[in-house]
Amino acid sequence: ETGVTQTPRHLVMGMTNKKSLKCEQHLGHNAMYWYKQSAKKPLELMFVYNFKEQTENNSVPSRFSPECPNSSHLFLHLHTLQPEDSALYLCASSQGLAGNEQFFGPGTRLTVL
Amino acid sequence: GNSVTQMEGPVTLSEEAFLTINCTYTATGYPSLFWYVQYPGEGLQLLLKATKADDKGSNKGFEATYRKETTSFHLEKGSVQVSDSAVYFCALRGAAGNKLTFGGGTRVLVKP
Repeated sequence: ETGVTQTPRHLVMGMTNKKSLKCEQHLGHNAMYWYKQSAKKPLELMFVYNFKEQTENNSVPSRFSPECPNSSHLFLHLHTLQPEDSALYLCASSQGLAGNEQFFGPGTRLTVL
Repeated sequence: GNSVTQMEGPVTLSEEAFLTINCTYTATGYPSLFWYVQYPGEGLQLLLKATKADDKGSNKGFEATYRKETTSFHLEKGSVQVSDSAVYFCALRGAAGNKLTFGGGTRVLVKP
């Protein structure tokens, strides 16, 4: 595997389900990001991790819970989501936070019924 | 705060036509500017960037010039191909940190 991978690529879940999105980067980076891409809205930054420590939470509801066990892996745990949370969730990574290019994964298309 | 405004799509054009996607921004200080491209079913890829005024970013036949006087970073390509069909995002990164602010994206459809 190369670059940034995300699993699953597609996920359908009910509002009472608990699921997790996984992101893995194979680039040796130490910063990782979660973005939300909704229809007809700009890409929204959700969370930023640097060296496994969360450095930014962009006022994201607590039904989204990120986890970064190491610099290569990032999870987004989902619990009691709403239909309006349906979107494409993109993971990205970069070498540090000091203005280096972010590399994006292909995203997980989430549908909440 | 920072913001990016880009033209709404979809933009539909024929192969070999000239493409322009307008992008303007609001930011304090001297941001870096980017164009990302998202092909169907894929994540975003960096297309080109410019880090200071009057810089021109270029890649794959695409160009954009950082115009501080008009706070713009318009994307252009002289002759598009069907394979250029994608969604294009203009973005900026403020002078401090690594937070990217994106525009809403412009879908481009090139027909043979």
